[in-house]
Amino acid sequence: GNSVTQMEGPVTLSEEAFLTINCTYTATGYPSLFWYVQYPGEGLQLLLKATKADDKGSNKGFEATYRKETTSFHLEKGSVQVSDSAVYFCALTPNQGGKLIFGQGTELSVKP
Amino acid sequence: DSGVTQTPKHLITATGQRVTLRCSPRSGDLSVYWYQQSLDQGLQFLIQYYNGEERAKGNILERFSAQQFPDLHSELNLSSLELGDSALYFCASSPWTSGSTDTQYFGPGTRLTVL
Repeated sequence: GNSVTQMEGPVTLSEEAFLTINCTYTATGYPSLFWYVQYPGEGLQLLLKATKADDKGSNKGFEATYRKETTSFHLEKGSVQVSDSAVYFCALTPNQGGKLIFGQGTELSVKP
Repeated sequence: DSGVTQTPKHLITATGQRVTLRCSPRSGDLSVYWYQQSLDQGLQFLIQYYNGEERAKGNILERFSAQQFPDLHSELNLSSLELGDSALYFCASSPWTSGSTDTQYFGPGTRLTVL
C-alpha cells in the first residue's frame, strides 16, 4: 500500500543552521509529493510540491527533490529562522489522485 | 488565508452526543476532503466529495457521515460520540482538474473535545 515515513522529531536547531528533514515513501505508480507546514494553533499550509521524478519544489528558502530511485523527498533549508518553528508533514497523493497520505510529522524548534 | 472556512472553531460536547462540522471550500473548487488529526493516529483521510457526489472513503467510522450540498459546502456529522473522537478535524478543497497533481488547500480546522 501507500505510506510515508518521516524522521522523528523534535528537531532543535540554532538560528541560521542547516535543516534536513528526511522523508521516504512507498507507492505504486507515480505519486505526487508534498510538504505541508503547521504553525502552532493553525491549519496546514502547502510549503512545496513535486509531481514527477527529479522535479524540485521550492518555496521560502525550502527545497525538496523528488527522487524516484531512492523513493525520497527530503526537505532542506540552508539557514533556518526562529519563525520556521512548526510541524512539517511530508505527504503523497497516489497515482490516481484523491486523498493525501501523510507522514507522522516532524516538529522543528529553532532557537535564537 | 487559504480561502477554506470551517465552523465552528471549537466544539465541546459530551459522550453519546451528535455534532455537525461545516466547511466552505475555496471559490471554484469542486472537491472537498475531510481529515482527522489526533495524537495517536496522526493525520488521516476520512472522505472526499466531488461536486456533490462521494468520491473516495478512507478510515471513516460508520458513526460518521458527510455530504456536499449544491452550493458545494460540506458537512461532517459525527454521532454517538466517544472520548476517542476528540481530535482536530480539517477540511480541504481542490479544483480536481488534474487528479493526483492537484494541491489541496486546508481550512483552519475544528477542534472537537468530547467529555
